[in-house]
Amino acid sequence: QSVLTQPPSVSGAPGQRVTISCTGSNSNIGAGYNVHWYQQLPGRAPKLLIYDDSSRPSGVPDRFSGSKSGTSASLAIAGLQAEDEADYYCQSYDSRLSGSLFGGGTKLNVL
Amino acid sequence: QVQLVQSGAEVKKPGSSVEVSCKASGGTFTSYVISWVRQAPGQGLEWMGRIMPMVGIGNYAQKFQGRVTITADKSTSTVYLEVSSLRSEDTALYYCALMLRGVHAAFDIWGQGAMVTVSS
Repeated sequence: QSVLTQPPSVSGAPGQRVTISCTGSNSNIGAGYNVHWYQQLPGRAPKLLIYDDSSRPSGVPDRFSGSKSGTSASLAIAGLQAEDEADYYCQSYDSRLSGSLFGGGTKLNVL
Repeated sequence: QVQLVQSGAEVKKPGSSVEVSCKASGGTFTSYVISWVRQAPGQGLEWMGRIMPMVGIGNYAQKFQGRVTITADKSTSTVYLEVSSLRSEDTALYYCALMLRGVHAAFDIWGQGAMVTVSS
């Protein structure tokens, strides 16, 4: 089964740095397909945060960064702020499914 | 900058069909890929399928093959999602999303979402 696995939740205090992992397989991340990250605030549509593993769209603060290695990727958020409290999703393409695939999502709690 | 505006909320009976629309404005519609993503209440995001309006052929996630149809009307820059044989598990927010860099790429721009409720 082709899945992207994320931790259900992560927590951090204001000002801290947190990372969210996304583990895939050889048919998606491990095959070299790019990983993208989205932020979904409560009651809002998802917003693109990181594309092509580590690129930021215009307007996204550089506190947000992405990386990829092997069959996994990570989203790092530095200088945590209260407004960062949201759900975060990773996404990639899967050759076995011939389609896009999302991780299960991670809820970030800012303590 | 392209914007996506979706149709409104729908309430449907089990076994019926629903059509949700997604109108693009402010950019070249036909050059991009548009996908549909749904989110059941309290759940994560699920990719359903995509279409490149220039080509006009939909590609679907295996789970939705045969029950979902995605079409595009180039004259009105609108993409449609039809889901048939609705069941309670189809109750969800349905989003359209624009992929600027192709079928393997990110969902750059999202519509506001359309709530579909399936209830007898």
